[in-house]
Amino acid sequence: GDSVTQMEGPVTLSEEAFLTINCTYTATGYPSLFWYVQYPGEGLQLLLKATKADDKGSNKGFEATYRKETTSFHLEKGSVQVSDSAVYFCALDGSGAGSYQLTFGKGTKLSVIP
Amino acid sequence: DSGVTQTPKHLITATGQRVTLRCSPRSGDLSVYWYQQSLDQGLQFLIHYYNGEERAKGNILERFSAQQFPDLHSELNLSSLELGDSALYFCASSVNSGSGSPLHFGNGTRLTVT
Repeated sequence: GDSVTQMEGPVTLSEEAFLTINCTYTATGYPSLFWYVQYPGEGLQLLLKATKADDKGSNKGFEATYRKETTSFHLEKGSVQVSDSAVYFCALDGSGAGSYQLTFGKGTKLSVIP
Repeated sequence: DSGVTQTPKHLITATGQRVTLRCSPRSGDLSVYWYQQSLDQGLQFLIHYYNGEERAKGNILERFSAQQFPDLHSELNLSSLELGDSALYFCASSVNSGSGSPLHFGNGTRLTVT
């Protein structure tokens, strides 16, 4: 079945550091790929998405490129801020039309220190 | 604020009991999804309803059931509760049923089974 593997955390970075969170997936067909972010005490929020190979999703300075050849969707940000501290989830939707069954990775906790 | 309302925020109950979790989707959203987040299993898709009809089932136990009412709110019923059912239960909604429209998550109901 579908699966998502993302780097385990926690990840601790200083403000303005470069961020990479690795994500690889296993799926049949051509899934859509997502990054969600969860701030403490809140639900998940969509950060960015890509629906086909070589698509780049971007939002709030974060970027991720859908790499079909390496089955990867790594999240990057050039300069992190304290407000980026949260748990980040990589996810895929391989269900096709009709339903939105996301398969999530385990999540990576990011802490950014001033 | 995602616009998705989940009640109650916290629930503490004993093994063998039955509980009902409630979700009000964003105004205008026809789809409701339920997800379970636990430390060992991570985030798992449970079930999807679209405009009152069940669309897809994921890893939902037979002891669990859900429904979506004519006013589009949804309830997740958990019965014969076990310690392992302790988790954060998220509801999410979207306008349509496919992955073209983003999911909006509520803040979750934390269930503790003692």
